Amino acid sequence: NAGVTQTPKFRILKIGQSMTLQCTQDMNHNYMYWYRQDPGMGLKLIYYSVGAGITDKGEVPNGYNVSRSTTEDFPLRLELAAPSQTSVYFCASRVSYEQYFGPGTRLTVT
Amino acid sequence: AQSVTQLGSHVSVSEGALVLLRCNYSSSVPPYLFWYVQYPNQGLQLLLKYTTGATLVKGINGFEAEFKKSETSFHLTKPSAHMSDAAEYFCAVSEGSGGSNYKLTFGKGTLLTVNP
Repeated sequence: NAGVTQTPKFRILKIGQSMTLQCTQDMNHNYMYWYRQDPGMGLKLIYYSVGAGITDKGEVPNGYNVSRSTTEDFPLRLELAAPSQTSVYFCASRVSYEQYFGPGTRLTVT
Repeated sequence: AQSVTQLGSHVSVSEGALVLLRCNYSSSVPPYLFWYVQYPNQGLQLLLKYTTGATLVKGINGFEAEFKKSETSFHLTKPSAHMSDAAEYFCAVSEGSGGSNYKLTFGKGTLLTVNP
């Protein structure tokens, strides 16, 4: 199993551009999550999904959108990127209380 | 609502010394508690978890933690630090059985440095 994979690893965006961060898991987990990690701030939940077709907002959803059309994929969309969205983004999936994290996407908005 | 406080954003120990990373939580329902480790430029990996049962839990790489309800604490310890333990450690809490136990709230993290 590859586990949780994320693409791209790095990306630089200009202010106002849009992009989609990809997340795929091959463990057939129903629960999936998107977090952002900022230095000294821990991880903040952006969106989560409890199964295909079901998503909900986390703690910091503004400026982001998600969709979940399949069990495997949970893409995160940034519309009109802003410097405040410069961060490291982690996707995770969950089974039996344990969350499995992807390697992250480092995004810089300038 | 839940919250996690990790005391000390940076802890430095000598190789072979005791590692103690502190975590206090607040939760309106019985919690599930977790410690995750993050090595540089990697995702988070579960070290150990407490859900129910024995309050002293053992994890990978020789780490253990004790759930103390009266102190609302879940401190992480390791008797003898190794250079490979240098990483950032995150404590996390979720609501326990019957609650929204699928969402985690993370602390801000503690960076562990191990000196030779």
